[in-house]
Amino acid sequence: KAGVTQTPRYLIKTRGQQVTLSCSPISGHRSVSWYQQTPGQGLQFLFEYFSETQRNKGNFPGRFSGRQFSNSRSEMNVSTLELGDSALYLCASSWGQADSYNSPLHFGNGTRLTVT
Amino acid sequence: GIQVEQSPPDLILQEGANSTLRCNFSDSVNNLQWFHQNPWGQLINLFYIPSGTKQNGRLSATTVATERYSLLYISSSQTTDSGVYFCAVGIKAAGNKLTFGGGTRVLVKP
Repeated sequence: KAGVTQTPRYLIKTRGQQVTLSCSPISGHRSVSWYQQTPGQGLQFLFEYFSETQRNKGNFPGRFSGRQFSNSRSEMNVSTLELGDSALYLCASSWGQADSYNSPLHFGNGTRLTVT
Repeated sequence: GIQVEQSPPDLILQEGANSTLRCNFSDSVNNLQWFHQNPWGQLINLFYIPSGTKQNGRLSATTVATERYSLLYISSSQTTDSGVYFCAVGIKAAGNKLTFGGGTRVLVKP
């Protein structure tokens, strides 16, 4: 079974631009979560989607948004990029039933975003 | 929110040595997972262990939920065990929102 696939692997953008990252979960997984990893703040939760609905959201500004499609694939968007948005963005999927807190998370390889 | 502290922050091991990594958390949790991030940045799920003990090869983990800590044991370490080990916790109401600790960076020398 294929793992979680994230594209692209690397991105270089300029301040003020916007970016869209893509995530394809493991087949059958309905929950997709996004995390940001930086050297200073570590791993921080961005948001989680389940059945096309945002179920949880972390403490990030509104410039960070996401969505989930009917096939469970997910995208996240960052608008008006700032230098501090440079990070590794990780997507994770899980079975995500109603009690999804008891499902192991499986992460993709991440998208490394550099903002100049 | 929940606070997660991992210790030690850094660990240098000689190949073949055993080690114990600790994760303390500030509140009752329903979800606790251990991950290994390899030098290429990939996060691998090692254990889903909100309570009890599990073993997988040379790795084992124990969570004592009532005392709010979890331990990850690495036995007969190998150079491929190098990387950063993260503990992450969550509560039922938060679904798959996990709060990660700062990690333990492990270097296994040949």
